[in-house]
Amino acid sequence: SQQGEEDPQALSIQEGENATMNCSYKTSINNLQWYRQNSGRGLVHLILIRSNEREKHSGRLRVTLDTSKKSSSLLITASRAADTASYFCATDNQAGTALIFGKGTTLSVSS
Amino acid sequence: DAGITQSPRYKITETGRQVTLMCHQTWSHSYMFWYRQDLGHGLRLIYYSAAADITDKGEVPDGYVVSRSKTENFPLTLESATRSQTSVYFCASSLTDMNTEAFFGQGTRLTVV
Repeated sequence: SQQGEEDPQALSIQEGENATMNCSYKTSINNLQWYRQNSGRGLVHLILIRSNEREKHSGRLRVTLDTSKKSSSLLITASRAADTASYFCATDNQAGTALIFGKGTTLSVSS
Repeated sequence: DAGITQSPRYKITETGRQVTLMCHQTWSHSYMFWYRQDLGHGLRLIYYSAAADITDKGEVPDGYVVSRSKTENFPLTLESATRSQTSVYFCASSLTDMNTEAFFGQGTRLTVV
């Protein structure tokens, strides 16, 4: 069964606005990762946050992790049309040997 | 070219046929994975491998077989293809365990008719 669940399933915003996506998971984790998938392409790693970290930044991306609530959020600031993609959170399985993905959030940024 | 490559990119096969999807990585990553992506299901793990000659089942392994005789290759075989196996298949690799990022191939779109 899926470990992570993203919310919302779809998000439409205007260029320049911020986009926030949330991920909830079920069991304890070692780390949580976010990936982006452009239409028809493979997934690309965005950021990894470890279970002992609360916040991490990378360029226009900010990820938070709340292990007590088993949730994470991905914030994309000042969105661009090029940010249009699907975004997935992924957590390690309990053995730490594989990544388990959620169903993703589809982000559409219009100019 | 360096990286992780999948072949073929597109494949149409008939029900009951055996088909093999290839995955090759040039980084000598220990871990390799096969996922399938379907609308409404996101990515689901089929099989993974921690090293050559070590493989393990994921969430949806039925109907699939994998092998890993060499570190760089991780082929996925559908023994007798069914229409429910129509999907986009992604191979991925990771340097060590899941405390590092995974790198994905471009995907193989498989249609079973």
